[in-house]
Amino acid sequence: KAGVTQTPRYLIKTRGQQVTLSCSPISGHRSVSWYQQTPGQGLQFLFEYFSETQRNKGNFPGRFSGRQFSNSRSEMNVSTLELGDSALYLCASSPETSSGNTIYFGEGSWLTVV
Amino acid sequence: DAKTTQPNSMESNEEEPVHLPCNHSTISGTDYIHWYRQLPSQGPEYVIHGLTSNVNNRMASLAIAEDRKSSTLILHRATLRDAAVYYCIRYNQGGKLIFGQGTELSVKP
Repeated sequence: KAGVTQTPRYLIKTRGQQVTLSCSPISGHRSVSWYQQTPGQGLQFLFEYFSETQRNKGNFPGRFSGRQFSNSRSEMNVSTLELGDSALYLCASSPETSSGNTIYFGEGSWLTVV
Repeated sequence: DAKTTQPNSMESNEEEPVHLPCNHSTISGTDYIHWYRQLPSQGPEYVIHGLTSNVNNRMASLAIAEDRKSSTLILHRATLRDAAVYYCIRYNQGGKLIFGQGTELSVKP
């Protein structure tokens, strides 16, 4: 079955702009989580959605937001972009939020802020 | 949420076994231990996970200490394609994986 799909794969934005990234989870998966990866900070948890509700949130400013739709697809939005937001943004999905479940990652969206 | 502790890097020869250690001394009773690996420019790939007892799958084996404060990922025969950064993660619940810096594994032919 198809894996986690993220779009777009690459994008360049200017400081001050906003960006929306999209994630389609594996069919049947209801939990979607987002991570940011940078060379300096490594992989950091952004937030997690389950059945359209945000269940968990990492330590990121309010400029980072997300949502999940009834079909489990998810989007994350970053407003007022800063140079430091340049990163690989990863989406992951799992059937439920139980820690015994396997989490599957997408290939990520590479965001460059100039 | 405490991160796990892993060596920064390890080296192995092709077709030899590799033992990747991980320390998670503050783990709670309900935390699973998950291992992921990441190749350059790719998303992390699931390897294996377990709670208390040792686990095997087609990719690797996971040996969990009896007190659960440490675990070891075992690649039985390393190949060049196994060269990656390996992350050992405590997973409580809610999709929140807390990644440490991981172990960069290099495999020599």
